[in-house]
Parts: sequence; C-alpha cells; structure tokens
Amino acid sequence: EPEVTQTPSHQVTQMGQEVILRCVPISNHLYFYWYRQILGQKVEFLVSFYNNEISEKSEIFDDQFSVERPDGSNFTLKIRSTKLEDSAMYFCASSGSLEGPQHFGDGTRLSIL
Amino acid sequence: GESVGLHLPTLSVQEGDNSIINCAYSNSASDYFIWYKQESGKGPQFIIDIRSNMDKRQGQRVTVLLNKTVKHLSLQIAATQPGDSAVYFCAENNQAGTALIFGKGTTLSVSS
Repeated sequence: EPEVTQTPSHQVTQMGQEVILRCVPISNHLYFYWYRQILGQKVEFLVSFYNNEISEKSEIFDDQFSVERPDGSNFTLKIRSTKLEDSAMYFCASSGSLEGPQHFGDGTRLSIL
Repeated sequence: GESVGLHLPTLSVQEGDNSIINCAYSNSASDYFIWYKQESGKGPQFIIDIRSNMDKRQGQRVTVLLNKTVKHLSLQIAATQPGDSAVYFCAENNQAGTALIFGKGTTLSVSS
C-alpha cells in the first residue's frame, strides 16, 4: 500500500539553526500538509499546500516557517531559526482530494537544544 | 470557534469486548469527520471517515456513528484485540476543507 515517507526520523539541532524536514507524499496525491504534535498533546495543523502554493496556514506557521515542493516527489518544511518550543513531532500528510482522507507519515522528531 | 474534543482520555477493555470511543465537536457547519489510530512512535493511521449526509458507516470491525443533533461522533470497535491498543483521535475538516482539526485523543488499552 502506498505510504507517506518522512526523513529524518529524528533531527537534533541547536537553537537558532535552520532545519529542513523532508517528506515524500503518496505519488498521485495533489494536496500536502504539515502538522505538529508536541509530546502528549493533540495534533495541530500547520499548513496546507496545493498547486504549488499555500492554501491555508495556522497562526503557528509564522515567518520562520516555509514549505516547498522542489521537485515532483518531495515536499519540505523549513524552520529558519529554530526555538526551543519548536521541539515536537512533525507529520507530513497528503490526500488525493479535499473530500478524501489525509494519510500521514510516521513523522520526524525534532529536538532543539 | 472550531474545536473537536473527546469525552474520555483513557478507556480500558478486555480482549473480545466491544469498545466505544466518543467525540464531541463544536462546529455545526463541519461536513467531514475522520477517525485516526496512533500507535507509539507512529503517525496517525486512517481508520474510517464519514460525511455529514450520513449517520453511520461501517468498516472492518469498526463503525462510526454521527449524531448531528448533539454534535457527537463515536467509533465502535467490535471484538477488541490487543493490537487495537493505541491513541484514537477524531478530527474534522475546517470550513474551507483545507485542514484537519484534531481532538485530544483517547488512549485505548486492551488487556488479554
């Protein structure tokens, strides 16, 4: 069964450094998403992306965050200058349509020191 | 505002029992709901979804019920197995359909 893959599984970064989280969505999907989950809490929406532009973003997704689809298969989340409170699991998801379910990857654990 | 929540943070059942996990939502305009299962160290895994024009939908061993009158969603798992132990989240589409809003999750523990 096709799946969303994310790399790396764990990223440790010094505060203030830039980090790029990578995702390969399901190949025929057109809608892409990033969510985060702070330990023990619920999953929070960050951003959705369609047709090479952001469809919607939450208030968490401030100017330090950006997304990109650099080629036909990858979808990336960049945090420009990381803060301690950026430590969380970051999940990528994709869907074939707005009416269909979003399928999630297994996440990248981001630890900011 | 838009929010989704769950009634109970934990639920413990015996293997073979039926489990019912509940969720209350606040946005009466929501038209799409989805249940996810999250195992430790993994991402949310799609279980079943339902649109607001339906009251009930069945899958393999799972049933989702939607009561729009009281804005309540439930997930029923038949003959619960130890492999069903996980955190279960309900989620709804935001009004634009461009994001999922998750509830806080119910941890299901199945003992054999």
